[in-house]
Amino acid sequence: DAKTTQPPSMDCAEGRAANLPCNHSTISGNEYVYWYRQIHSQGPQYIIHGLKNNETNEMASLIITEDRKSSTLILPHATLRDTAVYYCIVRVANYGGSQGNLIFGKGTKLSVKP
Amino acid sequence: SAVISQKPSRDICQRGTSLTIQCQVDSQVTMMFWYRQQPGQSLTLIATANQGSEATYESGFVIDKFPISRPNLTFSTLTVSNMSPEDSSIYLCSVESGITYEQYFGPGTRLTVT
Repeated sequence: DAKTTQPPSMDCAEGRAANLPCNHSTISGNEYVYWYRQIHSQGPQYIIHGLKNNETNEMASLIITEDRKSSTLILPHATLRDTAVYYCIVRVANYGGSQGNLIFGKGTKLSVKP
Repeated sequence: SAVISQKPSRDICQRGTSLTIQCQVDSQVTMMFWYRQQPGQSLTLIATANQGSEATYESGFVIDKFPISRPNLTFSTLTVSNMSPEDSSIYLCSVESGITYEQYFGPGTRLTVT
């Protein structure tokens, strides 16, 4: 089973920030938080990942709480093309072993509206 | 990031037949993964395929039903054998980055079994 809990759906107005929450209260010390998204009829796309520090890249920002039990993915200026299912996954980042496998939950279906 | 292609992109097959799906990567990778996404569902890992060794299958998936080949570091195939309508799904392959361990996914193969 997935180790994360996400709201099933969210709406966001185009141009506004989309803040997607994720709870991972049982995360282990060596597990990272990964975010992927899946746009309809496409393969999942990697967005960002982090261990304990906040991370930012060209796509998004990842805010992880100090106790690491939850995180928020932030899309700073959502566009219609950001409409997708967003998956929050915790995993050990190394080669080999089932701990490193991606276990996809149901994710959050984000709808960006004009 | 890796560029991944899959063939075929979609197919309609009769029950009892088999289909082999190809996954080609534009760079050499150690680990490749095969996932299944049933209609309206999230992704489920079928198996992990390392070059030069037998694939490792997840619970609920067996080699006789989903034989996998991994002849080199850029290519893998997944065969869906003796198909039934319950096998109708999107099948996706993915590879893992050797540096930051994010996975990159192919576009998927949409299989319909009639």
